[in-house]
Amino acid sequence: QVQLQESGPGLVKPSETLSLTCTVSGGSISSYYWNWIRQPPGKGLEWIGYVSYSGSTNYSPSLKSRVTISVDTSENQFSLKLSSVTAADTAVYYCARHSSRVPWFDPWGQGILVTVSS
Amino acid sequence: EIVLTQSPATLSLSPGERATLSCRASQSVSTYLAWYQQKPGQAPRLLIYDASNRATGIPARFSGGGSGTDFTLTISSLEPEDFAVYYCQQRINWPPWTFGQGTKVEIK
Repeated sequence: QVQLQESGPGLVKPSETLSLTCTVSGGSISSYYWNWIRQPPGKGLEWIGYVSYSGSTNYSPSLKSRVTISVDTSENQFSLKLSSVTAADTAVYYCARHSSRVPWFDPWGQGILVTVSS
Repeated sequence: EIVLTQSPATLSLSPGERATLSCRASQSVSTYLAWYQQKPGQAPRLLIYDASNRATGIPARFSGGGSGTDFTLTISSLEPEDFAVYYCQQRINWPPWTFGQGTKVEIK
């Protein structure tokens, strides 16, 4: 079964760019849509955006100006870049899959805590 | 943006009891609503999609209902592993997909 694993720095300085990668194993990245979702400590879930296997993207309007999501099909990975971060971007970042047939988030990666602090 | 409001914020129940969780949408989402379960330190897990369909491997004690703006998640008889936070999510009107703020089901 497909598994997702987030990786990247756990600490980012204010005003810098947060960069994370999600590696997909046990299945192909093709024919699906790949999402990033975040959860500030003790709070609810916020959808950030997705990239399709072909590279098309869709972002949350509230983050659109700062977000870039890209896909590397040769490596079975997709990535998130969030620029100009502040403490408000401190959160657990999850990657998750959806498809046209099952347009819900399933499965999810285990999540990675990213703290924005100097 | 569609706002999902979940109630109650916390539900205190004993194992074996029935749990009824509510999710209300600020405008109709038809049946384009899902429920997720999140345990401490874990990622959310898809439980119910399209308002009433159980995801693969989800026990029959979980059921979902509703349409339009009012939805419920029912756990017929709480097992110890069911104490967790539950989120609803809509997909009719995006971007963005939005989640409710969550309902915590805790042991009484």
